[in-house]
Amino acid sequence: AQSVTQLGSHVSVSEGALVLLRCNYSSSVPPYLFWYVQYPNQGLQLLLKYTSAATLVKGINGFEAEFKKSETSFHLTKPSAHMSDAAEYFCAVSESGTGGFKTIFGAGTRLFVKA
Amino acid sequence: DADVTQTPRNRITKTGKRIMLECSQTKGHDRMYWYRQDPGLGLRLIYYSFDVKDINKGEISDGYSVSRQAQAKFSLSLESAIPNQTALYFCATSERALPGDEQFFGPGTRLTVL
Repeated sequence: AQSVTQLGSHVSVSEGALVLLRCNYSSSVPPYLFWYVQYPNQGLQLLLKYTSAATLVKGINGFEAEFKKSETSFHLTKPSAHMSDAAEYFCAVSESGTGGFKTIFGAGTRLFVKA
Repeated sequence: DADVTQTPRNRITKTGKRIMLECSQTKGHDRMYWYRQDPGLGLRLIYYSFDVKDINKGEISDGYSVSRQAQAKFSLSLESAIPNQTALYFCATSERALPGDEQFFGPGTRLTVL
């Protein structure tokens, strides 16, 4: 079964600093990987996804993620944090299931941004 | 208007009560999902439906049931609520069930079972 592991349940950065949120996956087949973001009191929304077209994936709000097969990683980065980036971030992977594919989510990483 | 709506947004109930959470979508998607979110555990899949006639159990379906009344409506029921079902519940949809498909989430229902 596919799975994802997010390293660090909480990450704190200063405004303007680099954001790095770590995700490692386990998959027996080429994976489809996602990063979702959850702002306070809202549902999740897609930040970006990897579907094997390019290893560096650019998403919304200046975020990007790099797929590294040799490290089984899909870390999320942003060069300069903004206060509005404070949210919970979920890494996810697609898994084959009955009737089609499902999405398996990691435990989440909460990002705090300090002024 | 929101594409995926959930009612109620908040609910407090007592142990043993029957509870229904409702989800409606205007995206025209066939695929719908129910998840629960617990701190430190992320989102876990309860049930999913790939069309009106198709219902499938997820990883944590015990204690829950669902009904797909129409393409646009997918309800989650707790027949006899217990305190460890206190959680944030999300409904989601997707256009297809292909591996790269994005899911679209509702705003969530916060359920507290006393």
